[in-house]
Amino acid sequence: DSGVTQTPKHLITATGQRVTLRCSPRSGDLSVYWYQQSLDQGLQFLIQYYNGEERAKGNILERFSAQQFPDLHSELNLSSLELGDSALYFCASSPTGTSGYEQYFGPGTRLTVT
Amino acid sequence: GEDVEQSLFLSVREGDSSVINCTYTDSSSTYLYWYKQEPGAGLQLLTYIFSNMDMKQDQRLTVLLNKKDKHLSLRIADTQTGDSAIYFCAETYGGATNKLIFGTGTLLAVQP
Repeated sequence: DSGVTQTPKHLITATGQRVTLRCSPRSGDLSVYWYQQSLDQGLQFLIQYYNGEERAKGNILERFSAQQFPDLHSELNLSSLELGDSALYFCASSPTGTSGYEQYFGPGTRLTVT
Repeated sequence: GEDVEQSLFLSVREGDSSVINCTYTDSSSTYLYWYKQEPGAGLQLLTYIFSNMDMKQDQRLTVLLNKKDKHLSLRIADTQTGDSAIYFCAETYGGATNKLIFGTGTLLAVQP
């Protein structure tokens, strides 16, 4: 158990809908990262937050947004869903936002868009 | 540019050593990581190495880094069936972000 929790574990929804994925970092970690894992794209970095502020952005679609709240949990919002958004979404956390620290991953949320 | 490559598949017999290879293109990588993913599970951090090191050993795991050739390897000694999983290498560049750039993953199959 990494200490990073994600809910829900599975999510099935229809095209055009909107969903929210939730992540709670390990106790004491200030930085949260979101990654997407799909068969065609592999594991891709989406976005990073540090202590409530956006720190880095990767290949995140405009239909996707995220935020980190004062209690440090984070939410990833996916809207106008398409079939191609079906993937595993991982959240990770680290003590700080800078390089050189271990990054621990949650169990993931499997999103299926039908 | 950001590009990390791994071979797709490796099959070994139980008790043998496994060597999983990774190449990266960006010489400014500062930390290199190995993660393990079992079926239906998340990513488990196995070990990591700083770019000014050549080798790191942690129990059955040995990481070798050849910075000149931008080549990273993970050796698993006395491989067990429980080691069957997908192994990912990942790099990060230092500075203000710790975002990970992952390789394509290597599926390790351990035959009893």
